[in-house]
Amino acid sequence: DIVLTQSPASLAVSLGQRATISCRASESVDSYGNSFMHWYQQKPGQPPKLLIYRASNLESGIPARFSGSGSRTDFTLTINPVEADDVATYYCQQSNEDPWTFGGGTKLEIK
Amino acid sequence: EVQLQQSGAELVKPGASVKLSCTASGFNIKDTYMHWVKQRPEQGLEWIGRIDPANGNTKYDPKFQGKATITADTSSNTAYLQLSSLTSEDTAVYYCARGWLGYFDVWGAGTTVTVSS
Repeated sequence: DIVLTQSPASLAVSLGQRATISCRASESVDSYGNSFMHWYQQKPGQPPKLLIYRASNLESGIPARFSGSGSRTDFTLTINPVEADDVATYYCQQSNEDPWTFGGGTKLEIK
Repeated sequence: EVQLQQSGAELVKPGASVKLSCTASGFNIKDTYMHWVKQRPEQGLEWIGRIDPANGNTKYDPKFQGKATITADTSSNTAYLQLSSLTSEDTAVYYCARGWLGYFDVWGAGTTVTVSS
């Protein structure tokens, strides 16, 4: 199985500042010129919401404050600037290989 | 509007089975894959498996083989998750999600399953 390791497990960021979340895969999630890494936001009591698909593509309706980058085994989700509504847990997920797997999550709080 | 409507919360006894439903509206499940994801209290997300409703083909995370069975009824546009031989480890929220291109772009609200005597 491809193991996804997110860091940090939690972070506190001041409003208006940048938040950076890392996701490292135990093996490459790239195939056919695409990176099959995706990012979700989950608020308490709600299902996850897709933010970024295939590493860097912004899902429709998601603010441009969210961006994704990376390839092969190293990926980053950036939120800039952070707003109060961004308090949530963020997950990466790979679909390059079965079984699809998720990272352990990163909890974002406001400092 | 594209959405997934999941069945209500379940309280089940250890050793029993339960079948959860997920009814799609605004799209045809035959045109996509339907997935199930598990989330234990205060824990992360675990992919259980998927079904291609067009032909009934399924794929599971080996961890859930023998525990979970995913089916679909295209006539009612509904996907199902059956969980068997339930233990306290199965107490969780179970989400259904649409995912054709490798990511989950539509999620149900989740069904809470509590296993308790």
